[in-house]
Amino acid sequence: NAGVTQTPKFRILKIGQSMTLQCTQDMNHNYMYWYRQDPGMGLKLIYYSVGAGITDKGEVPNGYNVSRSTTEDFPLRLELAAPSQTSVYFCASSNRGGGVSNQPQHFGDGTRLSIL
Amino acid sequence: AQTVTQSQPEMSVQEAETVTLSCTYDTSENNYYLFWYKQPPSRQMILVIRQEAYKQQNATENRFSVNFQKAAKSFSLKISDSQLGDTAMYFCAFKLNRDDKIIFGKGTRLHILP
Repeated sequence: NAGVTQTPKFRILKIGQSMTLQCTQDMNHNYMYWYRQDPGMGLKLIYYSVGAGITDKGEVPNGYNVSRSTTEDFPLRLELAAPSQTSVYFCASSNRGGGVSNQPQHFGDGTRLSIL
Repeated sequence: AQTVTQSQPEMSVQEAETVTLSCTYDTSENNYYLFWYKQPPSRQMILVIRQEAYKQQNATENRFSVNFQKAAKSFSLKISDSQLGDTAMYFCAFKLNRDDKIIFGKGTRLHILP
């Protein structure tokens, strides 16, 4: 089972460059999330999606954009990379069955991004 | 707004001992879920245990159990017979039934010493 797959695993960007972090899941989950984890800190929600064509802002959306054209894919885009965006980024997915939102989130392995 | 607080940034215990990680949360709502996630050095996020707020019985998963005190808004994790592989960051998390977002605490770094 592939689960949630994130690419790349590591990346170094220069200030002002742009890039897309890829996330795909093969569990047919409706819900997908992007988090960032700064050193010694917990996860902060950047954006999330409850289904194809629907996205919503999380706690720290500034400087990022997302799209959800298919159920499987939820890419995160940085348009103008800034040093403050140096972090580890996690993608997650979950399913919401039977009207009860009790499904745990499945996480990818993370992408370590450094902006220099 | 909901918040999750983990007051222990770091802990160390000897292998085979029992350790309890603390978590408190704040909400004015009644219907929610609580989770403990483990993040080993590999950085994967692994669900350890979850508790539905409407259930009075504490959740248990093998060596992992919780002490859920709803009135006190406390959700501690107990690890029995700790093993070296339990070394990781542990995150407490909260989710309202009606919401799509999970709120994480800042984590507790747990070291199991040989």
